[in-house]
Amino acid sequence: DAGVIQSPRHEVTEMGQEVTLRCKPISGHNSLFWYRQTMMRGLELLIYFNNNVPIDDSGMPEDRFSAKMPNASFSTLKIQPSEPRDSAVYFCASSFSRPEGYTFGSGTRLTVV
Amino acid sequence: SQQGEEDPQALSIQEGENATMNCSYKTSINNLQWYRQNSGRGLVHLILIRSNEREKHSGRLRVTLDTSKKSSSLLITASRAADTASYFCATDAIQGAQKLVFGQGTRLTINP
Repeated sequence: DAGVIQSPRHEVTEMGQEVTLRCKPISGHNSLFWYRQTMMRGLELLIYFNNNVPIDDSGMPEDRFSAKMPNASFSTLKIQPSEPRDSAVYFCASSFSRPEGYTFGSGTRLTVV
Repeated sequence: SQQGEEDPQALSIQEGENATMNCSYKTSINNLQWYRQNSGRGLVHLILIRSNEREKHSGRLRVTLDTSKKSSSLLITASRAADTASYFCATDAIQGAQKLVFGQGTRLTINP
């Protein structure tokens, strides 16, 4: 198994632009999680899906952030419009059912200038 | 606020020594997990301990859990330079509806 695959690995964009981060979870995992990591705030859970359905999006900072999971093998996190304070590393993770251990992707380092 | 709080925030020891990191949490849990993160990489799951367990071993790792004190410790024995990383505890709260909440992590440096 190739693990959780995230793309792109790095993204540099200008303020106001739309950013789309992508994630392919491990086949067979039915839960998917989006986290954001910064030095100041650590790892924050943004949203998670179970069986492709969003369960808890209380961590999404504001309406500029949206996430979708159209099928079991793909999810996107979109920021529109992006702002410099969105600069962070965004991680996708997947697991099977009750968390027995997440598998994390390598992350997307987003820089908004 | 974060469910788990690690202590210390940073730890620097000599290769071969043992490293102990602690984690405190606030609410009742189903299980507690420890993860490692190498610089610039994703987190890697190390070990899981359930709320009805008190101690668990995996290779050079030893985890303890004290639910009465809402605390856990991770011991790495005979440390190696390759153990240099950040270590995070994460809790699966009973009321947490199937999600892990991570602490701020302990930055461990092993000096050769």
